[in-house]
Amino acid sequence: AAGVIQSPRHLIKEKRETATLKCYPIPRHDTVYWYQQGPGQDPQFLISFYEKMQSDKGSIPDRFSAQQFSDYHSELNMSSLELGDSALYFCASSRGGGNNEKLFFGSGTQLSVL
Amino acid sequence: EDQVTQSPEALRLQEGESSSLNCSYTVSGLRGLFWYRQDPGKGPEFLFTLYSAGEEKEKERLKATLTKKESFLHITAPKPEDSATYLCAVGGSARQLTFGSGTQLTVLP
Repeated sequence: AAGVIQSPRHLIKEKRETATLKCYPIPRHDTVYWYQQGPGQDPQFLISFYEKMQSDKGSIPDRFSAQQFSDYHSELNMSSLELGDSALYFCASSRGGGNNEKLFFGSGTQLSVL
Repeated sequence: EDQVTQSPEALRLQEGESSSLNCSYTVSGLRGLFWYRQDPGKGPEFLFTLYSAGEEKEKERLKATLTKKESFLHITAPKPEDSATYLCAVGGSARQLTFGSGTQLTVLP
């Protein structure tokens, strides 16, 4: 069965650079969530989209932005990267607008900021 | 604000030694309590959803139960392949999930 696909799998950037993370949800899933997980920490919600509109916003820095496109894939754009942005970034998808249906997670993008 | 606390932080068991993981939560209007398994460097893998107090769900050696204040994940006769971090999350007033810090389970052969 198709799963949530994230790219790239690993990303290394320098401070103050920009990064773009991509997420392709499970087919027919209309809701995408972005989570940030630091080493040894629980996933922290960043932002979510339902039917291409932002549905919820969590602890996402102003330096980050995201959108969901017409094919339901989503991109997380990160600018002016800081060392503290190094983390595992997960995308999850579900169907139904975020009514707490179970989320399916991708394998994540490991971002390292040097 | 929804909050989730998991205990213990880490648990080491011998193969076949049953135990339970705890997830305590405070939430405004519980919409669902979720258990996930996470292996190192991978995304959380869905295990169970519980919606109301008294509900129980089972899958192989795992059984999840729910009360009004906490959930337990019971592991019966665990095997080394059950070693992982088990995350509890709640869906409450906000539509996104709020995760606990997880319990890192190690099952020794």
